[in-house]
Amino acid sequence: NAGVTQTPKFQVLKTGQSMTLQCAQDMNHNSMYWYRQDPGMGLRLIYYSASEGTTDKGEVPNGYNVSRLNKREFSLRLESAAPSQTSVYFCASSLSGTADEKLLFGSGTQLSVL
Amino acid sequence: AQSVTQPDIHITVSEGASLELRCNYSYGATPYLFWYVQSPGQGLQLLLKYFSGDTLVQGIKGFEAEFKRSQSSFNLRKPSVHWSDAAEYFCAVGAGNFNKFYFGSGTKLNVKP
Repeated sequence: NAGVTQTPKFQVLKTGQSMTLQCAQDMNHNSMYWYRQDPGMGLRLIYYSASEGTTDKGEVPNGYNVSRLNKREFSLRLESAAPSQTSVYFCASSLSGTADEKLLFGSGTQLSVL
Repeated sequence: AQSVTQPDIHITVSEGASLELRCNYSYGATPYLFWYVQSPGQGLQLLLKYFSGDTLVQGIKGFEAEFKRSQSSFNLRKPSVHWSDAAEYFCAVGAGNFNKFYFGSGTKLNVKP
């Protein structure tokens, strides 16, 4: 099925370990996003990519890096994981990124940092 | 600054009862407003959106929402709730700039049989 695919679905890390969350969309969307979801705080934007080759910081970028590898793929990297990064991470995409467009979400990655 | 407030963290309604979930936003210009639903273990799915025109918008699964500029509100309603509506609901506003979406903290809906 067409959509946004995230891997892995679950991950447990120890403090200081690194990992990369992968995201791919097959809808030829230009814009892609990484959000984190924490209880009582809704979704907060970590980074976004308006188009291939560009990335920008969102509300909570500290401790993360991103790569827009090509139009389909947008990865999120934790270089040195911290317990504060325990969260559910969602990748999303939209056709052109304008504020009137809906976001299409992946099913999420549940990350625990011990 | 743009913000979205969902005052109710949890709501429980009986199956067949009506539902209203509240959303208030803060934004200087005419907002683009959205309601998303998240079922357990899933990503968010769009229920409905408002851009302009008719202030009462219809969405999927029998949901509707009304934009009230004077109250800065965009409340979600359903006349008769089904057990499958149990989920978490998020209100969001799209700001005027590209790629700026702000989400509320969510309202978790429980449905009693």
